[in-house]
Amino acid sequence: DGGITQSPKYLFRKEGQNVTLSCEQNLNHDAMYWYRQDPGQGLRLIYYSQIVNDFQKGDIAEGYSVSREKKESFPLTVTSAQKNPTAFYLCASSDLTSSRETQYFGPGTRLLVL
Amino acid sequence: DAKTTQPNSMESNEEEPVHLPCNHSTISGTDYIHWYRQLPSQGPEYVIHGLTSNVNNRMASLAIAEDRKSSTLILHRATLRDAAVYYCILTKSSGDKLTFGTGTRLAVRP
Repeated sequence: DGGITQSPKYLFRKEGQNVTLSCEQNLNHDAMYWYRQDPGQGLRLIYYSQIVNDFQKGDIAEGYSVSREKKESFPLTVTSAQKNPTAFYLCASSDLTSSRETQYFGPGTRLLVL
Repeated sequence: DAKTTQPNSMESNEEEPVHLPCNHSTISGTDYIHWYRQLPSQGPEYVIHGLTSNVNNRMASLAIAEDRKSSTLILHRATLRDAAVYYCILTKSSGDKLTFGTGTRLAVRP
């Protein structure tokens, strides 16, 4: 089935540790996005990429890094510089050639700090 | 960026229609109106979008005011599975980032 997969579903981080969240899509979409969601809040954009080997900062990029070496993959690293990383992380993709302009979301990764 | 305003929460009875309002008084002529919904502990999913004319699909209908300063998402027969947070979002073009507010939390009573 076509879609977006995120792994792991739950992730625990120790203080001072970097962790990487995986996002893969087989929809052949050009654009991919990472969002963060805190309890009771809407989603906030961390990074996005519209083409391989290129990406832009979103509204809350500090403490995060990304790479886009392949069209289907857009991993997010939460670095030790992110002081409050506990949140629900959502990856999305979209087809820039489509008139529908729809973003498709993965099931999310919940990150907890120990 | 143009902003949207939605009620924090609404309730509906199962099998009845639901009208979810959204105000966007500063919308520009090229802004598209999108609706997404998020079920508990899941990622958001696309519901519907439009520019000027009313739109229908298998999930819902979107009614857009003539002056485009407001819109209404219509669920024709609410089911328990429609209980979710509904987000009204404006975008300018394909690939534009989505700016999520806090949305409207819809509760459906059996």
